[in-house]
This record gives sequence, C-alpha cells and structure tokens, in this order.
Amino acid sequence: QVQLQESGPGLVKPSETLSLTCTVSGGSISSSNYYWGWIRQPPGKGLEWIGSISYSGSTYYNPSLQSRVTISGDTSNNQISLKLTSVTAADTATYYCARMNTTATFDYWGQGTLVTVSS
Amino acid sequence: DIQMTQSPSTLSASVGDRVTITCRASQSISSWLAWYQQKPGKAPKLLIYKASSLESGVPSRFSGSGSGTEFTLTISSLQPDDFATYHCQQYSSFPYTFGQGTKLVIE
Repeated sequence: QVQLQESGPGLVKPSETLSLTCTVSGGSISSSNYYWGWIRQPPGKGLEWIGSISYSGSTYYNPSLQSRVTISGDTSNNQISLKLTSVTAADTATYYCARMNTTATFDYWGQGTLVTVSS
Repeated sequence: DIQMTQSPSTLSASVGDRVTITCRASQSISSWLAWYQQKPGKAPKLLIYKASSLESGVPSRFSGSGSGTEFTLTISSLQPDDFATYHCQQYSSFPYTFGQGTKLVIE
C-alpha cells in the first residue's frame, strides 16, 4: 500500500521560501509507471495543481507559479520536494503531494499540510 | 489554461436520492476527466477517471459520463457517507485544472 507523508514548516514569513518534503513508502519514486505531483488548496477554496515530476526527473509546472516553484526528487530517500519562493499571504493553503498513475490521475494522496504565510 | 466549471456549487439532497453534478470545460478535453470526493479535513479521493471509468474499490452507485466539454457525475442512491465535496479535474493538457467544487449537503 503506497503512503505519502508531507512535512515542513507550518508557518512561513512573507517573501521567504516555502519548503516541503513528501516521503513516499510502499513504492519507489523512480518507478517508471508513475509521476508525482503537488496540489494545494487555500482555506475554503478549490484545488490548484502546482506541478509534477516524472520518474526520470522531468518537471512540469503550472505557468501561474513557474517562476517561483521547484520540484525535485531524492531517490535515495524516496522523497519529493517542493520549494516556492517569495511567498505571500495568497500562498496560504493546505499542500498535498500525490501519485499520478498510468491513467494520469492522482490515485494516492498525502494527508496534506497547512502552510500559513504570515509575519 | 482550460477552465473547469462545476454546477451547482452546493446541492441539497436526501439519503436515497439520485443526484447529478455537472462539469464543463472551456474547450474540448476528449474524455480526459477525473472526479474526486473530498471530506472535511481529508485529502481528495479518486472516484472516476477517463470520464466514466470507476476507480477500483469505488461503489457502483457512482458513475460518470460525457466527453468533449460536458461531463456528469451521478450518484444513483445517496448514502450517508456520500455527503462531501466533489471536484472534477481535466488532464488533457498542462496545466491540469480543477473545478471549483460542488458541496453535497443533507437536505
């Protein structure tokens, strides 16, 4: 059974960098069948796809965030990371990592982590 | 970007009812549409992919249909566990986009 667990600071100051890690268990992030993604949800609002990374390390970002976001993979620790620079209050959200399967949909999700941007 | 619009935003219904939620895409996405269920404080759960294919383990009372720009999610007989928020998502092209969500509440 695949499990994903997000971790990182719950509070980030404006203009600083948000950094989150997703630890994957029960499956390898370098498996050729899967991509991995980050999705966020501001309080009381809908879901926004941030970006995805393939098993080979290719990345795909939402153009609305592309200038500020980096997604990377650490195969030795089986982790996916998210960095979002120059954050503002608009980046306050629950951040989810998820597995993208062969049908290109998100079939396994972490429980999510709330990140608040505030001084 | 492809815009996804769900209707209604809120739907009131009773246990046993048949309900339908609609999702419209701003351009054709063929059948590259998924539906997710989300309960408060929880991550979304995949229900339907490729517009009408039921994810393993999802009850058969859930069904999806449509292609092109108009899609529906139908729950044939509402159960107490089904009261939640439902999201559609297109994966025809990057950036993947979601609808704003439909909250299904008890009438």
